[in-house]
Amino acid sequence: DVKVTQSSRYLVKRTGEKVFLECVQDMDHENMFWYRQDPGLGLRLIYFSYDVKMKEKGDIPEGYSVSREKKERFSLILESASTNQTSMYLCASSLWSGGTSYTFGSGTRLTVV
Amino acid sequence: SQQGEEDPQALSIQEGENATMNCSYKTSINNLQWYRQNSGRGLVHLILIRSNEREKHSGRLRVTLDTSKKSSSLLITASRAADTASYFCATDVKISSNTGKLIFGQGTTLQVKP
Repeated sequence: DVKVTQSSRYLVKRTGEKVFLECVQDMDHENMFWYRQDPGLGLRLIYFSYDVKMKEKGDIPEGYSVSREKKERFSLILESASTNQTSMYLCASSLWSGGTSYTFGSGTRLTVV
Repeated sequence: SQQGEEDPQALSIQEGENATMNCSYKTSINNLQWYRQNSGRGLVHLILIRSNEREKHSGRLRVTLDTSKKSSSLLITASRAADTASYFCATDVKISSNTGKLIFGQGTTLQVKP
């Protein structure tokens, strides 16, 4: 089975800190995605990547950046964490675009205080 | 903006009953997918239906797709307490010739009472 592993299950950070959320997949998937999930808003796409060193903005990229130096790893970076970035962050990967399912990690619940 | 809207937002049924969840979307799609999420966990893929398909089955799951109405439904038959979860529809939207992205609805929370 494909596994998508997110490095932290729970994370508490202070306002203004730089935060790194790490995601690793083990099945050579081309595409990787970062979503955030908030009550009443569902999942919203932050950034995605369809190849190493490639990145595309999703629907809510403001305040975030990403890094994909290796195919299996996709990092989400909060440059200066703010309280409105308190959320559940979900990483996903897929084999290719257009017609395949996504495999999700278990999520990182980030609290910014 | 959100692509999909799901209805109802919450559903509570007795074990053994059927559960139906509906999803509407706005733009053209490559395919539509349904996912399940247990409380506080990641999403698990249930079923994918392509834009040229009308109905698909997987075990106790039945999905329909009506592209003319831009809507889909998920039917869970003979529900069990273990089916209690949130269910999300997601539309695969084409970005370029070889890339796309999944846009999720807000989900339906299903409670199955034993």
